[in-house]
Amino acid sequence: AQRVTQPEKLLSVFKGAPVELKCNYSYSGSPELFWYVQYSRQRLQLLLRHISRESIKGFTADLNKGETSFHLKKPFAQEEDSAMYYCALNPSGSARQLTFGSGTQLTVLP
Amino acid sequence: SQTIHQWPATLVQPVGSPLSLECTVEGTSNPNLYWYRQAAGRGLQLLFYSVGIGQISSEVPQNLSASRPQDRQFILSSKKLLLSDSGFYLCAWSVWRLSSYEQYFGPGTRLTVT
Repeated sequence: AQRVTQPEKLLSVFKGAPVELKCNYSYSGSPELFWYVQYSRQRLQLLLRHISRESIKGFTADLNKGETSFHLKKPFAQEEDSAMYYCALNPSGSARQLTFGSGTQLTVLP
Repeated sequence: SQTIHQWPATLVQPVGSPLSLECTVEGTSNPNLYWYRQAAGRGLQLLFYSVGIGQISSEVPQNLSASRPQDRQFILSSKKLLLSDSGFYLCAWSVWRLSSYEQYFGPGTRLTVT
C-alpha cells in the first residue's frame, strides 16, 4: 500500500527566508502528487500538483522519483504563507482515493 | 460553478447519542464523494467514499457509517457516538482533470463528543 510521510509536524521560518516542506512517499508505480493547503478558518484547498509543473503563490514542487520525494519550496516566505500543508498521493492517477500525509503546520514569523 | 455544503458547522453531542452529518454538492452530477476525519497531529484520514448512489466503500472499520441516498447527497452517521469520534469531519468531491482526480473540500463539521 502507498504511504505519504511528512516528517515535520511544525515548521517555523522568518519572513523572507527560504522554506522547504518535506514530503516523501512510498509507492512502486508512477503516482500523481499534490500539495493541499489550509489557511486559518478557510477550507482545505489544492495548492499545486506535480503534473502541472507550475508555480502557485511562489511555491514550487518537483517530483523526484529517485528519492521518492515531492518537497514544497518557496525562496522567500511571507507571513500569509502560514498555514497547514498536506502532501497527497494518487497511486495511479485513475484511482479515486488520495492518500494524505499527516501535515506540516508552517508559521512564518515577522 | 460547483459548490459543496456541509452542516452543521459545529456539533456537541454526548457519548452514546446518534449522529448525522450531511454533505451536498451543487453544480455537478454523479460526483465521487468522500468523508474524511481530520484529527490534530494525525492528518487526514479517509473514512468513506462513494462513486454513485447506494455505493459506499469503507476505508477504516469504525463506529461510523455512510449513505448516499441521492446523487449529490452524502451522509455520515453513527448509532452511538464514542469519545474517540470527536474531530473535524470533511466532505469532499472529486473531478477528473489532467489525467487524475482532484479533490475539493467542504467547510467541515467540528464534532465534540462529551
